[in-house]
Amino acid sequence: QKEVEQNSGPLSVPEGAIASLNCTYSDRGSQSFFWYRQYSGKSPELIMFIYSNGDKEDGRFTAQLNKASQYVSLLIRDSQPSDSATYLCAVNHEGTGGFKTIFGAGTRLFVKA
Amino acid sequence: ETGVTQTPRHLVMGMTNKKSLKCEQHLGHNAMYWYKQSAKKPLELMFVYSLEERVENNSVPSRFSPECPNSSHLFLHLHTLQPEDSALYLCASSQALTSGSVHEQYFGPGTRLTVT
Repeated sequence: QKEVEQNSGPLSVPEGAIASLNCTYSDRGSQSFFWYRQYSGKSPELIMFIYSNGDKEDGRFTAQLNKASQYVSLLIRDSQPSDSATYLCAVNHEGTGGFKTIFGAGTRLFVKA
Repeated sequence: ETGVTQTPRHLVMGMTNKKSLKCEQHLGHNAMYWYKQSAKKPLELMFVYSLEERVENNSVPSRFSPECPNSSHLFLHLHTLQPEDSALYLCASSQALTSGSVHEQYFGPGTRLTVT
């Protein structure tokens, strides 16, 4: 089982729709969760982080965390063609084994104009 | 300069060469990271420094050698690389790794490395 799992996509949505991106993780002790956007040929850009169960909203983006079910999701409202990119989920864990950040392989999103 | 910068942006080297990648952060952070991103594979964390001390080394081959002389600079020294080491090498920075903090990471533009 992969430590951080994402559907590779591509996820295709029409302009103006809600895009829903999901991520599951295996380490129940994981503490903080991140969504990055990566355009082709560019480096990852932080969109949001979340560390408490529930929803966190920032503009058109909402992150949702459910630690009991070990999943985190990202909703993009009013999707725009400029949102077309690969979205990376990342999970931080700190403990007696040290610090680690595990990235998922990413979900490619395509927003059709 | 703002954010996280990396030099060079592109590097082609032979398997017998020695080269170094440089990263500099202008965000006032105290932790720095090296990642490797290969085609169709997740980002792999290679090294982490917090307050200039290495806190993580994820079983990286010894042909990769990190150096963190201060909290703003991070180097990755390369020697005797293999063609499979060709990848995008990304540097990131965050606040120091103290318990209870979130540590969101900010990435540099990366160095595209090709080993011939």
